Amino acid sequence: EAGVTQSPTHLIKTRGQQATLRCSPISGHTSVYWYQQALGLGLQFLLWYDEGEERNRGNFPPRFSGRQFPNYSSELNVNALELEDSALYLCASSPIRGAKNIQYFGAGTRLSVL
Amino acid sequence: QQQVKQSPQSLIVQKGGISIINCAYENTAFDYFPWYQQFPGKGPALLIAIRPDVSEKKEGRFTISFNKSAKQFSLHIMDSQPGDSATYFCAAINQYQLIWGAGTKLIIKP
Repeated sequence: EAGVTQSPTHLIKTRGQQATLRCSPISGHTSVYWYQQALGLGLQFLLWYDEGEERNRGNFPPRFSGRQFPNYSSELNVNALELEDSALYLCASSPIRGAKNIQYFGAGTRLSVL
Repeated sequence: QQQVKQSPQSLIVQKGGISIINCAYENTAFDYFPWYQQFPGKGPALLIAIRPDVSEKKEGRFTISFNKSAKQFSLHIMDSQPGDSATYFCAAINQYQLIWGAGTKLIIKP
């Protein structure tokens, strides 16, 4: 069974540009979570989508946004990139809401803003 | 805001030694406590998890000890190996949320 897949693996952008990161959850998982992990630091919760709806949002500015598609895959968009947005962006999926909420992670997208 | 406090932030252990990472939580409504292991450049992976009605769970060299009254749980890695060098995250879960600890960077010296 395929795990959570993220693309691209690496992304290099310049300040002010937009970045789009993609995530495909494990088959049968309806919830998708996005995290930002700056170098050497912990997981900062960004967004939670379930059944196509945004269910919760972390303490990030509105230029971080996303969506979940009918097939439960998800996109994270970061507008007006800033240098401090450089980080590993992790996507996780979990089974239907109301289950134990164990999250299964992808390998991440390394975003570098120059 | 609910928190899970994880300590230490970093830990160096000699090969063959015991690595111990501790977490404490505040909300008694949590009912599942997983530990995740993350290698550099990779996403976290579920390592082991415990329910609060169990005081200890062991899987190979990894053991979770759970103290419900103290709202604390810990990860013990027996006979620590260089391949165990990674960042470890504890978490606390209920039906609606997952709260992460800040992580512990573990280095096993050969």
